[in-house]
Amino acid sequence: GDSVTQMEGPVTLSEEAFLTINCTYTATGYPSLFWYVQYPGEGLQLLLKATKADDKGSNKGFEATYRKETTSFHLEKGSVQVSDSAVYFCALSGPSGGYQKVTFGIGTKLQVIP
Amino acid sequence: DVKVTQSSRYLVKRTGEKVFLECVQDMDHENMFWYRQDPGLGLRLIYFSYDVKMKEKGDIPEGYSVSREKKERFSLILESASTNQTSMYLCASSLASPLHFGNGTRLTVT
Repeated sequence: GDSVTQMEGPVTLSEEAFLTINCTYTATGYPSLFWYVQYPGEGLQLLLKATKADDKGSNKGFEATYRKETTSFHLEKGSVQVSDSAVYFCALSGPSGGYQKVTFGIGTKLQVIP
Repeated sequence: DVKVTQSSRYLVKRTGEKVFLECVQDMDHENMFWYRQDPGLGLRLIYFSYDVKMKEKGDIPEGYSVSREKKERFSLILESASTNQTSMYLCASSLASPLHFGNGTRLTVT
């Protein structure tokens, strides 16, 4: 079945450091790929998405590129802020499981210190 | 903005009790989902529904059931709560993509 692999962390960075959170996936066909973010005490919210190979999703300074050849969707940000401290989930949907069903990675906790 | 509301933020129940977790969405979404979130395991899909009175098993349906009598409401039922069901439960809804989540219910079974 479909699966998503990411490190659990925590990842601890100083403010203004460069962030990379790796995500690789296993799926048949061409899934849609997502990054969701969960701030403390809240549910998940969509951060960015990409629906086909070589697409780049971006939002709030975060970026991720859909790499079909390496089955990856790594999340990057050039300069993190304390307010970026959260748990980040890589996810995919479809086609084998249907586009309604979303499969999540285990989540990577990011801590940004001033 | 889509609003997904889970009725309880924290819940403490005893082993063997029947537990109802309620979720309501206000955007006329077709699809609704229940996930549980555990450290080191991420989010795992329990059940989902793509229409009123329709339900599909997710990856970990054992020990749970669901009810969707109205489009906006999706209930998760623990028929006989057990300690291994202590977890954070997240409800979500969608039309197509993306998922919109509630803030979660932290359930403790003692």
